[in-house]
Amino acid sequence: ETGVTQTPRHLVMGMTNKKSLKCEQHLGHNAMYWYKQSAKKPLELMFVYNFKEQTENNSVPSRFSPECPNSSHLFLHLHTLQPEDSALYLCASTQGGRSIEQYFGPGTRLTVT
Amino acid sequence: AQTVTQSQPEMSVQEAETVTLSCTYDTSESNYYLFWYKQPPSRQMILVIRQEAYKQQNATENRFSVNFQKAAKSFSLKISDSQLGDTAMYFCAFMRHPWGYQKVTFGTGTKLQVIP
Repeated sequence: ETGVTQTPRHLVMGMTNKKSLKCEQHLGHNAMYWYKQSAKKPLELMFVYNFKEQTENNSVPSRFSPECPNSSHLFLHLHTLQPEDSALYLCASTQGGRSIEQYFGPGTRLTVT
Repeated sequence: AQTVTQSQPEMSVQEAETVTLSCTYDTSESNYYLFWYKQPPSRQMILVIRQEAYKQQNATENRFSVNFQKAAKSFSLKISDSQLGDTAMYFCAFMRHPWGYQKVTFGTGTKLQVIP
């Protein structure tokens, strides 16, 4: 297993619930990412944080709210989700600069009922 | 914008045989990186192999090698002596030459099943 952890691993929530996904990297990396993985679709980049600053928001609906309190932790706050938001949510990190390999967490399998 | 296309949603191979996974991409960039990532069932995605566009020599990592055809914008992955542990989703990915953080574009993936 890599040095990127995600909790919870599985989450079932109703459309009116509020929940949060957590990602933690133990690699000393500077950049962290949220991806959405749906069946038969390419990984969709959602957000990028570089040195705690959000540098990318790929037109993600406001019902997804990211938070990066420091370079090691990344959260994705969820509220008023839709069934089509059900997917595997992956967190990744990179050192930044010329270090190009992305290290992925195991993902959170989200089901919206 | 870059696009990555994997035209084989699923493939299977007999254990110990060789299999090739296809990937094509589209970009106007001249310098970039290409990757193959592996996602085993219920396990984390890991990097298998990478290729820098300015290097003409094809990358090799043990049983994994690529056939990089820059003019054709093709980047296939060859797995030799397939093993049961190679069963996974394989994603082809593209990244512009890095500066700061890296934005990676992924394909839809190829599900590879190694048959005993």
